[in-house]
Amino acid sequence: DTAVSQTPKYLVTQMGNDKSIKCEQNLGHDTMYWYKQDSKKFLKIMFSYNNKELIINETVPNRFSPKSPDKAHLNLHINSLELGDSAVYFCATSALAGGNTDTQYFGPGTRLTVL
Amino acid sequence: GIQVEQSPPDLILQEGANSTLRCNFSDSVNNLQWFHQNPWGQLINLFYIPSGTKQNGRLSATTVATERYSLLYISSSQTTDSGVYFCAVDDYSGYSTLTFGKGTMLLVSP
Repeated sequence: DTAVSQTPKYLVTQMGNDKSIKCEQNLGHDTMYWYKQDSKKFLKIMFSYNNKELIINETVPNRFSPKSPDKAHLNLHINSLELGDSAVYFCATSALAGGNTDTQYFGPGTRLTVL
Repeated sequence: GIQVEQSPPDLILQEGANSTLRCNFSDSVNNLQWFHQNPWGQLINLFYIPSGTKQNGRLSATTVATERYSLLYISSSQTTDSGVYFCAVDDYSGYSTLTFGKGTMLLVSP
């Protein structure tokens, strides 16, 4: 079983559309994250969720909204897509949160291309 | 926020050679991880190593937390080692999020 899975793997869409990326983990971890990797391969945190509560939002535009229906899922909704949103989006999980530390495990990534 | 610098930015090796990758960070950390991003884009955990030394096969890592650096050693490199190696740290900000370095791009040629 894949520990952290994302769907879809590839997403190609037009500017202005609304899309969602799904993330599921079967590790029983308490905290889930979304990271964005740009065209220069730079990885940056977008969101962190602990037990359905948003812990941090790193100045991400409000067109991006994370939604967690349960502890095992953290979906990323993006409204009014822009060309600059093209990137690879990674979901990650860890067992601990709130200043405690533990290994973060990453999903396979979703490559989003906005035309 | 915390700064993470990796060196070298690029590295080309012949198969069988050894290499050392370095990660410097600007503040105290309570988490440090090394990742390998393979040519297919997958991020693979190599080490969770906020301090001390660990070894896993041909790879080993050492973090000297008091001097704010970590080293990743790759011995007897293979073509499958090619990809980008990232160092990522979590400072004591309380949010448990990782700040990534810009990575070292490694190419191992046969």
